[in-house]
Amino acid sequence: GNSVTQMEGPVTLSEEAFLTINCTYTATGYPSLFWYVQYPGEGLQLLLKATKADDKGSNKGFEATYRKETTSFHLEKGSVQVSDSAVYFCARLNSGNTPLVFGKGTRLSVIA
Amino acid sequence: DTGVSQDPRHKITKRGQNVTFRCDPISEHNRLYWYRQTLGQGPEFLTYFQNEAQLEKSRLLSDRFSAERPKGSFSTLEIQRTEQGDSAMYLCASSLAIGQGETQYFGPGTRLLVL
Repeated sequence: GNSVTQMEGPVTLSEEAFLTINCTYTATGYPSLFWYVQYPGEGLQLLLKATKADDKGSNKGFEATYRKETTSFHLEKGSVQVSDSAVYFCARLNSGNTPLVFGKGTRLSVIA
Repeated sequence: DTGVSQDPRHKITKRGQNVTFRCDPISEHNRLYWYRQTLGQGPEFLTYFQNEAQLEKSRLLSDRFSAERPKGSFSTLEIQRTEQGDSAMYLCASSLAIGQGETQYFGPGTRLLVL
């Protein structure tokens, strides 16, 4: 069916470590892909997105590349900071622009 | 633009009571979505509007739930005869319908606790 699968958390990293959060999807057609971030006590904020194969979304040092061949959209950051501690959600939007389907979220904790 | 706002931010109610939540989208956004998020899960779609028309409802939206967007601007979500299983964060999002890859902008949510 149509779904989004993220790696299980929590993920705990030291400051300046490299981050990867895996995300794979199943969908009909060619969906758009998103990463949202939810800081403690706040709503979801768009972090980055990609709308077609091989597109790379980037923001605040985070990157993700839309890989059609592996149906993946892994989130990466070269050097995490304590302020990156949050829950990260991968999501897809079908080409008909119907509602977002989210993964379960991955909690990231960055320690100094 | 102040973004998507939701009211109230928190609601505690007793089982069997009715509750109503309000969402004010970003002005000129023609689409408005409602999602529900439980602890440790991603948001799940409930329903959405394009202008004042309710175009899709999830099977999660039981008969006790009703949503309106009477003038194509703000929306309300009502839950009748609340149950403990309704306890969750209710999120509203809005977007401007364009071509591929419209971005949905989320409000801060209304956290509901049913005792």
